[in-house]
Amino acid sequence: QVQLQQSGPGLVKPSQTLLLTCAISGDSVSSNNATWIWIRQSPSRGLEWLGRTYYRSEWYNDYAVSVKGRITINPDTSKNQFSLQLNSVTPEDTAVYYCARVTYYDSSGYRFDYWGQGTLVTVSS
Amino acid sequence: QSVLTQPPSVSGAPGQRVTMSCTGSSSNIGAGFDVHWFQQLPGTAPKLLIYGNSNRPSGVPDRFSGSKSGTSASLAITGLQAEDEADYYCQSFDISLSGYVFGTGTQVTVL
Repeated sequence: QVQLQQSGPGLVKPSQTLLLTCAISGDSVSSNNATWIWIRQSPSRGLEWLGRTYYRSEWYNDYAVSVKGRITINPDTSKNQFSLQLNSVTPEDTAVYYCARVTYYDSSGYRFDYWGQGTLVTVSS
Repeated sequence: QSVLTQPPSVSGAPGQRVTMSCTGSSSNIGAGFDVHWFQQLPGTAPKLLIYGNSNRPSGVPDRFSGSKSGTSASLAITGLQAEDEADYYCQSFDISLSGYVFGTGTQVTVL
């Protein structure tokens, strides 16, 4: 059974950096059949995909246009986890943040099959 | 901000059938990308309900079914039960945004 356990602060000051971690059990962050993603949810923006990291003989990252330039998603193979770093946060970044796993089937099918428990991050001074 | 449009709410009596739509465009659903559906109970993470337009993960009752046509998709719940009260979200991929996109969400109320 796959489990994703999130950790990180619930309060971040404006202009500072948001840092969350997602620890994986039951799978490997280096899996060739998975991608590891971050999503956030807020009343104003709804559910929003932020980016992903995945390993296919080498590491790749993709980021949403809305946060590109401020976001970094890093895998940590020694701890079997991945992290979200979002720089220069503003109150608009206040949201519940989720990590999730995406796996693939057939030639092009995929599914978001496991999610972390969610972390409410408030950006406020 | 959400790219896919859903009705804000639908309701039905126990045992009834309800449906909800998910409307996209030629850069996502209309481009042939799969649609997936999630159920979100209050205070919890979304849970995968339907993947690949019409497939149910193990453990999801067959009361839930999905379909896709053109630039839209639909989720149907037959034999509505009190435990089905939740928010439901559709999700797909958008080629213009080069990323995954979600619907605005539909709140299901069991009368």
